[in-house]
Amino acid sequence: GNSVTQMEGPVTLSEEAFLTINCTYTATGYPSLFWYVQYPGEGLQLLLKATKADDKGSNKGFEATYRKETTSFHLEKGSVQVSDSAVYFCALSDGATNKLIFGTGTLLAVQP
Amino acid sequence: DVKVTQSSRYLVKRTGEKVFLECVQDMDHENMFWYRQDPGLGLRLIYFSYDVKMKEKGDIPEGYSVSREKKERFSLILESASTNQTSMYLCASSSTGLNSPLHFGNGTRLTVT
Repeated sequence: GNSVTQMEGPVTLSEEAFLTINCTYTATGYPSLFWYVQYPGEGLQLLLKATKADDKGSNKGFEATYRKETTSFHLEKGSVQVSDSAVYFCALSDGATNKLIFGTGTLLAVQP
Repeated sequence: DVKVTQSSRYLVKRTGEKVFLECVQDMDHENMFWYRQDPGLGLRLIYFSYDVKMKEKGDIPEGYSVSREKKERFSLILESASTNQTSMYLCASSSTGLNSPLHFGNGTRLTVT
């Protein structure tokens, strides 16, 4: 069945460091891929998405490229801020039902 | 902005009690979902609904039921709460458009003692 694997955290970085959170997926067909972010005490919110191979999603300085050949959707940011501290979830959807399958989440802690 | 409101932020119940978790959305979304979030397991889908009075099982429906009598409200019911149902419960809604984003509530932290 469909599944998402993302790197375990926590990831601890200093402010202005480069961020990569790895995400790989297993799916039949052509899923859409998402990154959601959960700030402390809040629900999840959509960060970015890509709906077909080679698409790049971007938002708030974060980027992720849909790589079909490596079945990956790694999240990157060039310079993190303390305010980026949160849990990041990679997810996929088969597009037909809008049901999402989530990874286990990666906690990012950015220190000043 | 879409608002998804979960009725309780924290809830403490005893084993065997019947528990209702309520969720209301204000954007006329057709789709509504209940997930539970546990450390190391991420989010797992319990039930979802595409329309009023319609429900579909997710990946972990055992021990749960749902009710959707009105479009804006989706209730999760624990018929007889057990300690392994202690968790964070997240409600979400979305429109029917392809790849429409899910909008989440802030969650209900349920503890069953």
